[in-house]
Amino acid sequence: GESVGLHLPTLSVQEGDNSIINCAYSNSASDYFIWYKQESGKGPQFIIDIRSNMDKRQGQRVTVLLNKTVKHLSLQIAATQPGDSAVYFCAEGVDAGNMLTFGGGTRLMVKP
Amino acid sequence: GAVVSQHPSRVICKSGTSVKIECRSLDFQATTMFWYRQFPKQSLMLMATSNEGSKATYEQGVEKDKFLINHASLTLSTLTVTSAHPEDSSFYICSARDMGQAEAFFGQGTRLTVV
Repeated sequence: GESVGLHLPTLSVQEGDNSIINCAYSNSASDYFIWYKQESGKGPQFIIDIRSNMDKRQGQRVTVLLNKTVKHLSLQIAATQPGDSAVYFCAEGVDAGNMLTFGGGTRLMVKP
Repeated sequence: GAVVSQHPSRVICKSGTSVKIECRSLDFQATTMFWYRQFPKQSLMLMATSNEGSKATYEQGVEKDKFLINHASLTLSTLTVTSAHPEDSSFYICSARDMGQAEAFFGQGTRLTVV
């Protein structure tokens, strides 16, 4: 759903640990989900996507889990690195190719 | 991966003037481009969907006469903020999709400051 509020939740992790970022989406009809990474002053960068006919998808060091029953999406980052520090947004859409609705975002801070 | 170029990256303008932001898909054809606005520490809010050769579709609450969108070709969409006011100061981001592809690619964003 859309973000309300002025403060992003922050997840602070130690370098080398695994990170889990969660997102609750709003539209039951959404069938396409994407995680984006946004560094300060830059546009969002695609990380990984998943369609509603899957519940898990793995990429390089990242895994996305989808639970349609509770409309929940999570992004797992393995062996988190300082370069992973950024704001992470989930986005949902209906019929991939249409507009995306972004979640509120989570700031990931990686401590060396 | 596909590249979307947005220009300018930063612009400062005086109140009452107009500013044009360009969004180009560099290595693919984008029949649809999307314009977002992002306030500090907030998420991206979709402003409008721009289809090549037709009028843009604006989200509720977005003034179409203030935010003029033109998508004249398959590789270029422009957003013009007309009669800009300080409250229009924001980060504007475009995204584009290749025909038939699900993944959307984003521009670098434009930081607009109206003084």
